[in-house]
Amino acid sequence: GESVGLHLPTLSVQEGDNSIINCAYSNSASDYFIWYKQESGKGPQFIIDIRSNMDKRQGQRVTVLLNKTVKHLSLQIAATQPGDSAVYFCAEKTRGGGSNYKLTFGKGTLLTVNP
Amino acid sequence: EAGVVQSPRYKIIEKKQPVAFWCNPISGHNTLYWYRQNLGQGPELLIRYENEEAVDDSQLPKDRFSAERLKGVDSTLKIQPAELGDSAVYLCASSLIRKGAGGEQYFGPGTRLTVT
Repeated sequence: GESVGLHLPTLSVQEGDNSIINCAYSNSASDYFIWYKQESGKGPQFIIDIRSNMDKRQGQRVTVLLNKTVKHLSLQIAATQPGDSAVYFCAEKTRGGGSNYKLTFGKGTLLTVNP
Repeated sequence: EAGVVQSPRYKIIEKKQPVAFWCNPISGHNTLYWYRQNLGQGPELLIRYENEEAVDDSQLPKDRFSAERLKGVDSTLKIQPAELGDSAVYLCASSLIRKGAGGEQYFGPGTRLTVT
């Protein structure tokens, strides 16, 4: 069936380095792709999204790249900080009927930032 | 503005016992979601409400799970009886969906359920 998955389950980086978290997807019909950050004991928090007709979007210290040819999504975090340590999920947002959107999450990547 | 509130934060019960989770969404949000999140996995949708109507409950195990959203605000998710495999974090989320536009979902902190 359709799925969203992550290449690497864990990523460890030094403070100040750039981080890249990858995600593969299989549903070409998704309208948006979203990155969420989930800290321990908290719910997922929206970071950034990208519409399916775009290939790059930048936010504050984060950039999302979408490669529809190979169905690949990545999240780049610049100058990674200890506060960035969390599990990161990519999710597909797919339109159902009317205003109904469905979110399908991948497995998650644990990012650890070493001081 | 307060975020999505859930209670309790933690619950430990023995198998075959009932359990209930409560969610108070962000004020004004018309859509409410219940998700289940297993360790190391992403959240999986159980049920979605638009106001007080359950519009997508296809993933809700209806033999033991039930949910309600009286008056289109707070919601309760119940499991009766609980099984060992129900151990997970149960997340509530809410969003404001307007005609033609799907709003961003805001998640609560979740209830961590342990069934022994």
